[in-house]
Amino acid sequence: KAGVTQTPRYLIKTRGQQVTLSCSPISGHRSVSWYQQTPGQGLQFLFEYFSETQRNKGNFPGRFSGRQFSNSRSEMNVSTLELGDSALYLCASSTGPGGVYEQYFGPGTRLTVT
Amino acid sequence: AQSVTQLGSHVSVSEGALVLLRCNYSSSVPPYLFWYVQYPNQGLQLLLKYTSAATLVKGINGFEAEFKKSETSFHLTKPSAHMSDAAEYFCAVSEDNAGNMLTFGGGTRLMVKP
Repeated sequence: KAGVTQTPRYLIKTRGQQVTLSCSPISGHRSVSWYQQTPGQGLQFLFEYFSETQRNKGNFPGRFSGRQFSNSRSEMNVSTLELGDSALYLCASSTGPGGVYEQYFGPGTRLTVT
Repeated sequence: AQSVTQLGSHVSVSEGALVLLRCNYSSSVPPYLFWYVQYPNQGLQLLLKYTSAATLVKGINGFEAEFKKSETSFHLTKPSAHMSDAAEYFCAVSEDNAGNMLTFGGGTRLMVKP
């Protein structure tokens, strides 16, 4: 079974631009979560989607948004990029509600904002 | 909000020596706890999880962790380090007690000397 895939793997953007990152979960997984990893702040939860609905959201500004499609694929968007948005963005998928379920992480998208 | 503290951002051990990575958590309810490993340029891989069953949890690659409520700890151990164990390790607690909305510790980079 294929793992979580994220595209693109690397991205360079300029301040003020917007960016869209994509995540394809493991087949059969319906929950997708996004995390930001930076050297200064570490790993931080962004949001979680299940069945096309945002279930949970972390403490990030409204410039960060996401969505999930009917095939469980998810995208996250960051508008008006700032230098501090440079980070590794990790996507994780899991089967969904019904007990404690494990999250499987993708390799991440490394975003550099110049 | 729950929090996780990992003592020691860097730990160095000799090959064959005991590995001990420390994790303390704060939680107002019985927590669900996780240890993840991250190799360079990769996503996170789940090592093991505690979900209020047995307090001694065995994971992959010979790692195990013991949940101690009285000490609010969940330290990760491995009896004998291998060169391939060199990586960054993250302890995490689930905010929604279902494996989602993970709050991560700052991470511990494990170095293994030959």
